[in-house]
Amino acid sequence: QLQLQESGSGLVKPSQTLALTCTVSGDSISSIGHYWSWIRQHPGKGLEWIGNIYYNGLTYYSPSLETRLTISVDTSKNQFSLKLNSVTAADTAIYYCATAPNSAYFDYWGQGTLVTVSS
Amino acid sequence: DIQMTQSPSSVPASVGDRVTITCRASQDIDNWLAWYQQKPGKAPKLLIHTASTLWYGAPSRFSGTGSGTDFTLTISSLQPEDFATYFCQQANSFPRSFGGGTKVE
Repeated sequence: QLQLQESGSGLVKPSQTLALTCTVSGDSISSIGHYWSWIRQHPGKGLEWIGNIYYNGLTYYSPSLETRLTISVDTSKNQFSLKLNSVTAADTAIYYCATAPNSAYFDYWGQGTLVTVSS
Repeated sequence: DIQMTQSPSSVPASVGDRVTITCRASQDIDNWLAWYQQKPGKAPKLLIHTASTLWYGAPSRFSGTGSGTDFTLTISSLQPEDFATYFCQQANSFPRSFGGGTKVE
């Protein structure tokens, strides 16, 4: 059974960098056709797609975030990561990692981690 | 970018009711649509993909129809565990986008 687990700082100061890692178990992050995704949800709000990465490093980013965003993959650790620079209070959200077969739908999700941007 | 609009934003319902939720895309997305269920404090769960294909483990009382710009999710007979928020998502193009959600309460 594929499982994903987010980890990282739950509190980030404004203007600093938000950094999260998703550890994948039950499958190889190098599996053909699987894209690895970040999605966030502002408190009490809807879902916002952040970006996808393939095991070879191919990325797709949300245009609204791409100037501040880096998603990377570490196949040796079966992990992928998110870095979001210059954060503001508007980046406070629950951040989920998920997997997307052929980059389309999100079939397995992590439990989510709340990141608060505050001084 | 493709905008996804769900209606209604909330629907009062009772156990046994037939519930229908609508999702409209701002442009043609063929059948590249998924539906998710989310309960408070939990991650969303995939229910349906490619507009009408039930995901593994999703109960058969859930069904999806539509293509192009208009889609529906139907719960044929609402069960107590179905009280949740439902989101649609388009997978036709990047950036991926979600509807605003429909709360079944």
